[in-house]
Amino acid sequence: DIQMTQSPSSLSASIGDRVTITCRASQSISSYLNWYQQKPGKAPKLLIYAAGSLQSGVPSRFSGSGFGTEFTLTINILQPEDFATYYCHQSYSAPYTFGQGTKLEIK
Amino acid sequence: EVQLVESGGGLVKPGGSLRLSCAASGFTFSSYAMNWVRQAPGKGLEWVSSISDSGTYIHYADSLKGRFTISRDNARNSLYLQMNSLAAEDTGVYYCARDLSGHSYPPFDYWGLGTLVAVSS
Repeated sequence: DIQMTQSPSSLSASIGDRVTITCRASQSISSYLNWYQQKPGKAPKLLIYAAGSLQSGVPSRFSGSGFGTEFTLTINILQPEDFATYYCHQSYSAPYTFGQGTKLEIK
Repeated sequence: EVQLVESGGGLVKPGGSLRLSCAASGFTFSSYAMNWVRQAPGKGLEWVSSISDSGTYIHYADSLKGRFTISRDNARNSLYLQMNSLAAEDTGVYYCARDLSGHSYPPFDYWGLGTLVAVSS
C-alpha cells in the first residue's frame, strides 16, 4: 500500500499569509495527487487534482505542484474561510490512501 | 445539480450488520465510478471501497478483511455498502463520493453529507 505523509500536522497563520503544506508518498504516484479541504461537520471539498489542476470554482489563491513522491499545496493571501483541515489523497493505486491531514488555524 | 444522499446509518451492536445506501441525482449515475470513504470521530479520512461504472471492477481497503461489500444499482441510481461483523473501530461518518469524469486515476469531485455509523454495546 502507498503511504501518504503530510507535514505539518497543524499550522497557525494569519489572514493574508502564504502557507505551504507538503505531502510525501511512500512510492512514486506520478502526478496522481489530489487535495481536499474539510471544515468541521462538513464533507470534504476537492481543491486540486492531478497535482496541479484547480477544480472548477476553487479560488486561484490555491495552487498545487509536485511529481513522483513530493507534492505541495500553497494558499496565497489566506482568507478567513480558508481555515480548515487539508488532506492529500493518491488516486494512482488502490487502496486510494489519504494523508493524515493538516489543520490550518488562525494565529 | 449533483446530489449524493447517504442513508442507513445508525447504532448497531458489535458483530451486527448495516446496509448503507447512497441515492444519486443530477447526473448520469451509470457513467461514473463511485466510492465510499469513512471518517472516525476526530480522525482523518479513510478510503473504504470503490466500484466502477458498470460494477465490474471493485476494490476494498485491506483493513476491512472481507467484511464489507460494495454494490450498485444503476437502474435505481443507487450505491450500497453492506457492512457485516461490525466492530467499534468501524464507528464514524460514511461518505459516498463520485469519481471525477474524464480523467485517468480520478479524484473524488462530489461528496454526500455522510451518514453516521456507531458501533457500541
